[in-house]
Amino acid sequence: QKEVEQNSGPLSVPEGAIASLNCTYSDRGSQSFFWYRQYSGKSPELIMFIYSNGDKEDGRFTAQLNKASQYVSLLIRDSQPSDSATYLCAVVSGSARQLTFGSGTQLTVLP
Amino acid sequence: DTAVSQTPKYLVTQMGNDKSIKCEQNLGHDTMYWYKQDSKKFLKIMFSYNNKELIINETVPNRFSPKSPDKAHLNLHINSLELGDSAVYFCASSQPAWGAVSEKLFFGSGTQLSVL
Repeated sequence: QKEVEQNSGPLSVPEGAIASLNCTYSDRGSQSFFWYRQYSGKSPELIMFIYSNGDKEDGRFTAQLNKASQYVSLLIRDSQPSDSATYLCAVVSGSARQLTFGSGTQLTVLP
Repeated sequence: DTAVSQTPKYLVTQMGNDKSIKCEQNLGHDTMYWYKQDSKKFLKIMFSYNNKELIINETVPNRFSPKSPDKAHLNLHINSLELGDSAVYFCASSQPAWGAVSEKLFFGSGTQLSVL
């Protein structure tokens, strides 16, 4: 079983819609959860992090965490074509407390 | 000024060759990493160094050898390259806070390695 799982997509949404990206993780003791965005041919960059159950909002982005169900999601409101990228979920877990990435969800926002 | 720089950006080589990728960060971070990203975008940690000391060494063939001459540099040397080594290799750095893990990784621009 993969430690961090994401639907690889591609996920397509029209401009202005809400894009919903989901991630599940296997280590129930995981403490910290992150979303990185990676444009094609570029390096990943951190866009959101969340530690506690519930929602965390930052501009058009909302991260949601449910530790009981072991999932974390990212909502992008008013999606723009510039949001088209691969979104990588990452989780801190294990005795070494290292960051483990999912395989990413490719998002395309259609103008 | 680029925060994390790695060279070369592209590396095309024949099977069996030995090659190196260099990484430098000017952020003053204590921790540096090498990640490998395969064609399906799966980003997997290979090594982690904290202040020149190896702290994470994932199951990586011993043909891969990291070297950290100082905390600002982490190079990756690969011996006897194989077809399966073709991937994008990212260097990254972070600054762990006391009692916590730093999750914010600053990535270099990546090295696209193609083994023919």
